[in-house]
Amino acid sequence: DADVTQTPRNRITKTGKRIMLECSQTKGHDRMYWYRQDPGLGLRLIYYSFDVKDINKGEISDGYSVSRQAQAKFSLSLESAIPNQTALYFCATSDRGQGRRDEQFFGPGTRLTVL
Amino acid sequence: GESVGLHLPTLSVQEGDNSIINCAYSNSASDYFIWYKQESGKGPQFIIDIRSNMDKRQGQRVTVLLNKTVKHLSLQIAATQPGDSAVYFCAENMGNSGYALNFGKGTSLLVTP
Repeated sequence: DADVTQTPRNRITKTGKRIMLECSQTKGHDRMYWYRQDPGLGLRLIYYSFDVKDINKGEISDGYSVSRQAQAKFSLSLESAIPNQTALYFCATSDRGQGRRDEQFFGPGTRLTVL
Repeated sequence: GESVGLHLPTLSVQEGDNSIINCAYSNSASDYFIWYKQESGKGPQFIIDIRSNMDKRQGQRVTVLLNKTVKHLSLQIAATQPGDSAVYFCAENMGNSGYALNFGKGTSLLVTP
């Protein structure tokens, strides 16, 4: 969905390096999320943010940190990357409005490989 | 949830047949459910949703059924087409927390000519 963009789309890095994955959205949504996807394990929530001043840990936050720089931007950092953080990372957004209130719109994903 | 390892459940159907993908959810307090479709190399895309006060909802070629008694959700796809080949995830919103979706591990649907 072009309304949610992620950069980079692919990244290969080495153990111990600091990595930042960025997410931007033009949907005007308040809520943003970071998930990782591993084969056979579905999507697991890392962090989520309801607005610029509200950030919460998800199911698997250890080893990750986030920054909500603006309503439209939510970045995920790996302070010291390790090989088991190799995964596909998705950013998502949702609106607190009516209707499909909890539908989340996903970006195209970032494939991260840690050697 | 229980890990199913590296292999997704796979459903293979012939083009034109109907498909049924099943999902068991864990939290009886969940009040909102969504089915997502994920094609290779793309992020998940919304298909259809249902609230816990309903037991059936229909969309274009898709129907979602909810059985709260046994905590079971199913997605029915009518007249399956090759473009329906993808991984399908069910997700539940866990009650009044309202903040995040809990995703199932996914089912791979393969449509053969």
